[in-house]
Amino acid sequence: QKEVEQNSGPLSVPEGAIASLNCTYSDRVSQSFFWYRQYSGKSPELIMSIYSNGDKEDGRFTAQLNKASQYVSLLIRDSQPSDSATYLCAVKGAQKLVFGQGTRLTINP
Amino acid sequence: ETGVTQTPRHLVMGMTNKKSLKCEQHLGHNAMYWYKQSAKKPLELMFVYSLEERVENNSVPSRFSPECPNSSHLFLHLHTLQPEDSALYLCASSQVASGGISGNTIYFGEGSWLTVV
Repeated sequence: QKEVEQNSGPLSVPEGAIASLNCTYSDRVSQSFFWYRQYSGKSPELIMSIYSNGDKEDGRFTAQLNKASQYVSLLIRDSQPSDSATYLCAVKGAQKLVFGQGTRLTINP
Repeated sequence: ETGVTQTPRHLVMGMTNKKSLKCEQHLGHNAMYWYKQSAKKPLELMFVYSLEERVENNSVPSRFSPECPNSSHLFLHLHTLQPEDSALYLCASSQVASGGISGNTIYFGEGSWLTVV
């Protein structure tokens, strides 16, 4: 079982809709969770972090964490073509930060 | 201006060459990392330096040799690489958490694209 698992996509969403990205993790003691956005040919850029169960909102982005289900998600409201990128989920357990392989998101005008 | 800068951005090297990747962070962090990103694979952690000491080496081949002369600079020395080592090499930095569950957000540089021919 992969430590951090994401659907690689591609996920296609029409402009203006809600994009939903999901991530599951295997280490139950994980405490810190991050979403990074990576444009093609660029480095990952941190967009959200979450540490407690529930929702955390930042502009059009909402991160959701459910530690009991070992599940973290990222919602992007009012999706824009500029949101087209690969989204990386990262989970920090007791020792190290582990990345998923990323979900490629395409927003269609 | 990014907080973590890497040079060179692009490097083509032969299998017998010796080259180095350089990373500098301007964020006042005290931990630095090398990651490898290959096509369709998750980011792979290669090395971690915390307070200038190597704390993690994830079974990386000896043809990759890191060096951390101070908390702001990190090098990756490359020697006798193989074509399968072609990838994007990302440097990152963070503040080592002194306690609690937050504080380990890592910030990436722009990366060095390496092609081994």
